[in-house]
Amino acid sequence: NAGVMQNPRHLVRRRGQEARLRCSPMKGHSHVYWYRQLPEEGLKFMVYLQKENIIDESGMPKERFSAEFPKEGPSILRIQQVVRGDSAAYFCASSPLVRSPVHLSSGANVLTFGAGSRLTVL
Amino acid sequence: SQQGEEDPQALSIQEGENATMNCSYKTSINNLQWYRQNSGRGLVHLILIRSNEREKHSGRLRVTLDTSKKSSSLLITASRAADTASYFCATSRGAQKLVFGQGTRLTINP
Repeated sequence: NAGVMQNPRHLVRRRGQEARLRCSPMKGHSHVYWYRQLPEEGLKFMVYLQKENIIDESGMPKERFSAEFPKEGPSILRIQQVVRGDSAAYFCASSPLVRSPVHLSSGANVLTFGAGSRLTVL
Repeated sequence: SQQGEEDPQALSIQEGENATMNCSYKTSINNLQWYRQNSGRGLVHLILIRSNEREKHSGRLRVTLDTSKKSSSLLITASRAADTASYFCATSRGAQKLVFGQGTRLTINP
């Protein structure tokens, strides 16, 4: 089991270009989460999805950012017209489906993280 | 916001000493989790404590939870150089997503 796979590990873009970050969840996991981490800071929630469905995107900036998790293939976090402030580490995590509140309380939302994608905007 | 806040922000101790980190949160929770992040790496889950539990152990880790004070602590006993990392608490409330705190940067000096 390869765990959560993210690519690319490092991405350099110039201002105005597009960045696409990919994430393949752990085998058997149905939910994908994206978090952003600025240097020396904690993780900020962005969005979480299951196949073909965005469940919660309350942490996504209103413009330029989008996420998808198609029926086939990895989840994609897309940042259009990047700016310097988008420079950060973007972490993907996955978890299994939560079947009940008891299941949730017991830890169905324990996340398995990928190694991250580090975006640098020049 | 239910975001956890860790205290202290940074902690430096000698190898062999115990390290204690605290986390406070603002709303009711389903569970509280602690994660470790080594420099430049992804987070690794350490331990989970349910809202109806008060204390939990895992190896050299001890976690306590006080829901009346909305706080938790993580104790690492007999610290080792390999424990040097950032430690984050994370909470969930009625939903599957986790909200993370700002973290405690722990340095173990040989």
